[in-house]
Amino acid sequence: RKEVEQDPGPFNVPEGATVAFNCTYSNSASQSFFWYRQDCRKEPKLLMSVYSSGNEDGRFTAQLNRASQYISLLIRDSKLSDSATYLCVVAEGAALIFGKGTTLSVSS
Amino acid sequence: EPEVTQTPSHQVTQMGQEVILRCVPISNHLYFYWYRQILGQKVEFLVSFYNNEISEKSEIFDDQFSVERPDGSNFTLKIRSTKLEDSAMYFCATSVGRDGEKLFFGSGTQLSVL
Repeated sequence: RKEVEQDPGPFNVPEGATVAFNCTYSNSASQSFFWYRQDCRKEPKLLMSVYSSGNEDGRFTAQLNRASQYISLLIRDSKLSDSATYLCVVAEGAALIFGKGTTLSVSS
Repeated sequence: EPEVTQTPSHQVTQMGQEVILRCVPISNHLYFYWYRQILGQKVEFLVSFYNNEISEKSEIFDDQFSVERPDGSNFTLKIRSTKLEDSAMYFCATSVGRDGEKLFFGSGTQLSVL
């Protein structure tokens, strides 16, 4: 059974903090990886794809370690608007396999 | 930005009743999906649909579930005889290609089975 595991948190951080989320996946043959963001009772929205070489989008950096089957997301200079649940996602064929998510709460 | 539209936003039904959830995909998208999220749980894949047929389905998608695109616009999920455990948020998603990177989710239908 293909699984994606995340620390559920919650992570409570002040504005401006740097926070890191981790995720592990069970299928070593997986090829595509993503971080999605989900606000309370809303639909998931793609935050960024995760590439083997690592990739950055503004304050967000994603890393993939295929050998360890480990994915990370780093958020620098946290904003109040970053408060949400961050979902680690692995593509398996046509399906996206979601982790349960890590909840982030940024306070002023 | 183009949107995936889902109706209704909320549906309350009695156990054993049939429900149909509707989705209008983004116009040039070819791949359609249904996902569900039970309260407090993770988002789960149900089914993918391409070229008017199911391309992949999960073990959740049993004989009680069916999908179709009857008129070339609406993409529907039917649950034939609802159970209490079918209560969840159901998300429709669509994409141009078979590529999770460009998956657009609708805002969901909250189904409550009483």
